[in-house]
Amino acid sequence: AQSVTQPDIHITVSEGASLELRCNYSYGATPYLFWYVQSPGQGLQLLLKYFSGDTLVQGIKGFEAEFKRSQSSFNLRKPSVHWSDAAEYFCAVGAQAGTALIFGKGTTLSVSS
Amino acid sequence: DVKVTQSSRYLVKRTGEKVFLECVQDMDHENMFWYRQDPGLGLRLIYFSYDVKMKEKGDIPEGYSVSREKKERFSLILESASTNQTSMYLCASRLPSGQGGRGYTFGSGTRLTVV
Repeated sequence: AQSVTQPDIHITVSEGASLELRCNYSYGATPYLFWYVQSPGQGLQLLLKYFSGDTLVQGIKGFEAEFKRSQSSFNLRKPSVHWSDAAEYFCAVGAQAGTALIFGKGTTLSVSS
Repeated sequence: DVKVTQSSRYLVKRTGEKVFLECVQDMDHENMFWYRQDPGLGLRLIYFSYDVKMKEKGDIPEGYSVSREKKERFSLILESASTNQTSMYLCASRLPSGQGGRGYTFGSGTRLTVV
């Protein structure tokens, strides 16, 4: 079955420290992979996506993610976290054929000063 | 700027009421989706629509129906609201197959409370 796992429910990072949010997927075909961010009370905003080519993708707000097919992973990283990055982050996987995206359960990021 | 607009940010309804949640997009997208979001459960797909008058059940369609009479509008209907349908409802739209790499555009969500 197709699925997305975000192993960390909640992560706290000090402001200025680096960040890595984990995402593992199970998908039969070549996947499209996405990271979304949700600020409190808001909808989801696309951070970045991968569907082919360079396995290291750059997104908005200084985020990047690396696709590792051998590990079925698509981890999100940021070298230096800002207090405004505190939010909930969702990893999602989909297929080219227009099916609905499958989302992970999310990771809540808290930033301490 | 492209937009997905959900008609209500907050809604309070009584048990047994018929509830309509409206979603409008201005991007000429064929695909539209309804998800509900609950703490610890992430986003779960209720229904989606590939095009006008077309619909597909998602993972949790029970107690819900949808309507897509026009391309820009996708309505979620709670036939008889129950307290376990208290949730955040998110609408999204997307270009069709082959262009799915562009991902979804989400609305801001409707927080529904059923009392």
